[in-house]
Amino acid sequence: DTGVSQDPRHKITKRGQNVTFRCDPISEHNRLYWYRQTLGQGPEFLTYFQNEAQLEKSRLLSDRFSAERPKGSFSTLEIQRTEQGDSAMYLCASSQIAAGEQYFGPGTRLTVT
Amino acid sequence: TQLLEQSPQFLSIQEGENLTVYCNSSSVFSSLQWYRQEPGEGPVLLVTVVTGGEVKKLKRLTFQFGDARKDSSLHITAAQPGDTGLYLCAGDGAGGTSYGKLTFGQGTILTVHP
Repeated sequence: DTGVSQDPRHKITKRGQNVTFRCDPISEHNRLYWYRQTLGQGPEFLTYFQNEAQLEKSRLLSDRFSAERPKGSFSTLEIQRTEQGDSAMYLCASSQIAAGEQYFGPGTRLTVT
Repeated sequence: TQLLEQSPQFLSIQEGENLTVYCNSSSVFSSLQWYRQEPGEGPVLLVTVVTGGEVKKLKRLTFQFGDARKDSSLHITAAQPGDTGLYLCAGDGAGGTSYGKLTFGQGTILTVHP
């Protein structure tokens, strides 16, 4: 039984570049969530999917951010024209049902130089 | 404004001591989850509490959910160096928001010295 996986684990990019992260949830989990965590803080909700439908997006998710889950399995999070303020840990989680327990992946640490 | 306030933010204790971490809010939650996170890794789920007044035990860890479902506590007995980490509480369904959108506290960094 594999857990949530994320790729890459670390990404260093220059300001202005685009980056894309991938999340593979636990199989048969319908819900997939993205969170962002900065140093010394708890994770903050970004967006979530029910199967392939994106149901809610946080105000934190500017127009430069886009997330997809095209076949209701894996998801991608793209950040266009990265800024230094985007530097953070991007966490993915999945759950079996809407109010179910969420299981997190190891995260992708993004550093924008 | 932090919806979930955790205290203390930092805790440094000796092996064998007991400790309690608090998670407080003015909002009612449908459930509350506790996680432990190590540097460079994602949070690992410890427990979920759902019913007001509920108490759950996980070996040396005791979790309580307040009667009004607005607050929670985590008590560790006889702490060990392996308990070192960031402890996070996260509430679900606050004030009628959609389920699954977890609201996290800022975390408590626990260091247990041998």
